[in-house]
Amino acid sequence: EVQLVESGGGLVQPGGSLRLSCAASGFSFRGYAMNWVRQAPGKGLEWVSYISSSSSTIYYADSVKGRFTISRDNAKNSLYLQMNSLRDEDTAMYYCARDRGVGAIDAFDIWGQGTMVTVSS
Amino acid sequence: QLVLTQSPSASASLGASVKLTCTLSSGQSSYAIAWHQQQPEKGPRYLMKVNSDGSHNKGDGIPDRFSGSSSGTERYLTISSLQSEDEAAYYCQTWDTGIHVFGGGTKVTVL
Repeated sequence: EVQLVESGGGLVQPGGSLRLSCAASGFSFRGYAMNWVRQAPGKGLEWVSYISSSSSTIYYADSVKGRFTISRDNAKNSLYLQMNSLRDEDTAMYYCARDRGVGAIDAFDIWGQGTMVTVSS
Repeated sequence: QLVLTQSPSASASLGASVKLTCTLSSGQSSYAIAWHQQQPEKGPRYLMKVNSDGSHNKGDGIPDRFSGSSSGTERYLTISSLQSEDEAAYYCQTWDTGIHVFGGGTKVTVL
């Protein structure tokens, strides 16, 4: 079964840090680009970051640039999001999502169930 | 500027059809989009990719009553024979080098 499972969410104070993980199974992880997407409570989806299959290309949304770092370990079939200098507005459910494209950015065709990050003092 | 516009809500009766619209910015009529469904308290689920020519590629296990089409800068998702489990938020997504964008979502209510 093709699956993405996020972990690492929790409650953190403003200015703090958190590292999210996404474990992939059921497909050749090293062959796909991956993304992080977030959803604030009661709001819509917001793309956060993209990493290509080889980690050679990385993109960030302006809202997180300079604070968040995306990475992956293809040997461990895992995707990560290091979040620093967290703000109240980073409070959201964070999803990892697979990019269906091969060699080019494309739609997200597999989603995880999400991990909740709450930034509050 | 990559922007997707969706109506906030739509409704239709059980067994009827509903057509959702996702509008790209002017000048972006060649862009493909994807449709995702998000049922209450669940993660999103990929439904299909809709190309500018109206062709579409569905995700695994997506029922035939979900279909996609296209006209100019508008991309459509039609749900036929509405079921209670179709009550959900539907998001469109598009992309370009360095960016992914989502529409604001349409909440579908099954009457």
